[in-house]
Amino acid sequence: GEDVEQSLFLSVREGDSSVINCTYTDSSSTYLYWYKQEPGAGLQLLTYIFSNMDMKQDQRLTVLLNKKDKHLSLRIADTQTGDSAIYFCAETSTGRRALTFGSGTRLQVQP
Amino acid sequence: DTGVSQDPRHKITKRGQNVTFRCDPISEHNRLYWYRQTLGQGPEFLTYFQNEAQLEKSRLLSDRFSAERPKGSFSTLEIQRTEQGDSAMYLCASSSDRASGEKLFFGSGTQLSVL
Repeated sequence: GEDVEQSLFLSVREGDSSVINCTYTDSSSTYLYWYKQEPGAGLQLLTYIFSNMDMKQDQRLTVLLNKKDKHLSLRIADTQTGDSAIYFCAETSTGRRALTFGSGTRLQVQP
Repeated sequence: DTGVSQDPRHKITKRGQNVTFRCDPISEHNRLYWYRQTLGQGPEFLTYFQNEAQLEKSRLLSDRFSAERPKGSFSTLEIQRTEQGDSAMYLCASSSDRASGEKLFFGSGTQLSVL
């Protein structure tokens, strides 16, 4: 079945760039997403990318997709303390409504 | 409209009791989803509605779980004879079929604790 894996924890200093990585197993994945979850809150959609794209940039966020290696990354430029949260990678494929989520990467931003 | 709304935010119940959660999606969204999230894990898909029709159910959705969306607007998720293993955050999400790529908007969830 589908599986999504992420590293558990990342710590960066304020102002540095953060790179959060994700790997997935489903070669038919069509859409890939990054969600952010703050304590006690639901998930907020940050950005998404279609599988026919290699890169997508949205303000401080850059998503890179390596479809051959089934690797997705999220780069946050100029990381701020407000970026501290858990970041989830998710994927789905055409015709499948369920998203498969990774276990999340906790990003800690140190002042 | 301020987003997906879930009620209650927290629910504590004793093992064996029944509980019901409510979700109000974003008003123009015709797709509604229920997910479950346990501590340290990502959300796991439970079920999906297109308007009032329940079109997909996960293997996780045992026969003690039932979800409805009677008029294609709000939805309820009922758990009968709760077990301690049901303790989790229950998340509702909605999306529009006019948007490609299943962009889900999540509510803040209902945290269930079964004692």
